[in-house]
Amino acid sequence: DAKTTQPPSMDCAEGRAANLPCNHSTISGNEYVYWYRQIHSQGPQYIIHGLKNNETNEMASLIITEDRKSSTLILPHATLRDTAVYYCIVRVVGGATNKLIFGTGTLLAVQP
Amino acid sequence: NAGVMQNPRHLVRRRGQEARLRCSPMKGHSHVYWYRQLPEEGLKFMVYLQKENIIDESGMPKERFSAEFPKEGPSILRIQQVVRGDSAAYFCASSRTGQGGYEQYFGPGTRLTVT
Repeated sequence: DAKTTQPPSMDCAEGRAANLPCNHSTISGNEYVYWYRQIHSQGPQYIIHGLKNNETNEMASLIITEDRKSSTLILPHATLRDTAVYYCIVRVVGGATNKLIFGTGTLLAVQP
Repeated sequence: NAGVMQNPRHLVRRRGQEARLRCSPMKGHSHVYWYRQLPEEGLKFMVYLQKENIIDESGMPKERFSAEFPKEGPSILRIQQVVRGDSAAYFCASSRTGQGGYEQYFGPGTRLTVT
């Protein structure tokens, strides 16, 4: 699976949009981009995933660049409860294994 | 719909004892994954199972650790003769199928403390 690069930490003001970047320059054509987050000591929570089109759900939006080498997770109106470590993961489609490889993620601190 | 359930939530074992961690996947999910998170570290994949089959155990330590997912009942992660280094949070996840594109949903974890 391709490696990802994320900033170690970011701050965001409550009520503002949080934009979390991720670089995955070695991504292959059959790899999805997934985002998970882990709120302190809890189990990771699935947020969103995409292949090449932008995606939106009730939690967030995912913007993938046309060359697929980077993506941005957008939390449109961050709240204090969004403070967490956010993981960007790329994963092959239809591979022999289905494991997720977590990096170090981005610690998003939402400030009041 | 109930989410992924894990029990116990907290487990204390003395060195040399056995630890058994249980995971019940979400309804309709037949694929289970175990991950370990050591203190102040990231999540590491351990093993991927379907009903009655181990698909990928590339992240499992070679000794003392085993996992199963029987036809009936929860998935079990078993750690024999625990040592202090086994103290960690163990998370289970499940998915509907094993094909890429299906997200994994995680349970709340079992915090194992070895004294």
